[in-house]
Amino acid sequence: NAGVTQTPKFQVLKTGQSMTLQCAQDMNHNSMYWYRQDPGMGLRLIYYSASEGTTDKGEVPNGYNVSRLNKREFSLRLESAAPSQTSVYFCAGGQGVTGELFFGEGSRLTVL
Amino acid sequence: SQQGEEDPQALSIQEGENATMNCSYKTSINNLQWYRQNSGRGLVHLILIRSNEREKHSGRLRVTLDTSKKSSSLLITASRAADTASYFCATGLSGNTPLVFGKGTRLSVIA
Repeated sequence: NAGVTQTPKFQVLKTGQSMTLQCAQDMNHNSMYWYRQDPGMGLRLIYYSASEGTTDKGEVPNGYNVSRLNKREFSLRLESAAPSQTSVYFCAGGQGVTGELFFGEGSRLTVL
Repeated sequence: SQQGEEDPQALSIQEGENATMNCSYKTSINNLQWYRQNSGRGLVHLILIRSNEREKHSGRLRVTLDTSKKSSSLLITASRAADTASYFCATGLSGNTPLVFGKGTRLSVIA
């Protein structure tokens, strides 16, 4: 029972490159989330999926796209990375939108 | 925009002392949650208190909620070096909107 698993854990990109962060959960969660964490800013919601087949924008969606591939998997894509997207990204899952969240260990992304 | 704001931003105490962190929020909530984050790790859920509850305990943790003041406090009693972490409050708003996290309190417990 791995919980919420994110890959990769570390990634360095050049400006303009694209990449996808993968997230998978084995806890049968209906809702899944992508947050970014920057120093002094706390966690900010990028996108979320309240249930399989739905996705919604969060507070900071610009420059990102998401796919809820199935109930287990929720991916975050950066089409053209920018230095402002240097951050630590966290995926989380939960049963209800306002319930307890279970977080992955984070993906540290640096855009040069 | 941040819904919850923790206070203080940083707190340093001796092992064995109690640590109190506060969270203030702006709009009506369904529930309020506290999370811990160890350095370089993901957040871990500590406790959830619903809007109709005033106090909740879990081990050495005590959480209070005052909806009239729109504030909550997290008390860690008899702190240990292993409690060193950042602590975040998160508010669950009414309706189907996701949790909103504050910026956190960095707690250092010195042995």
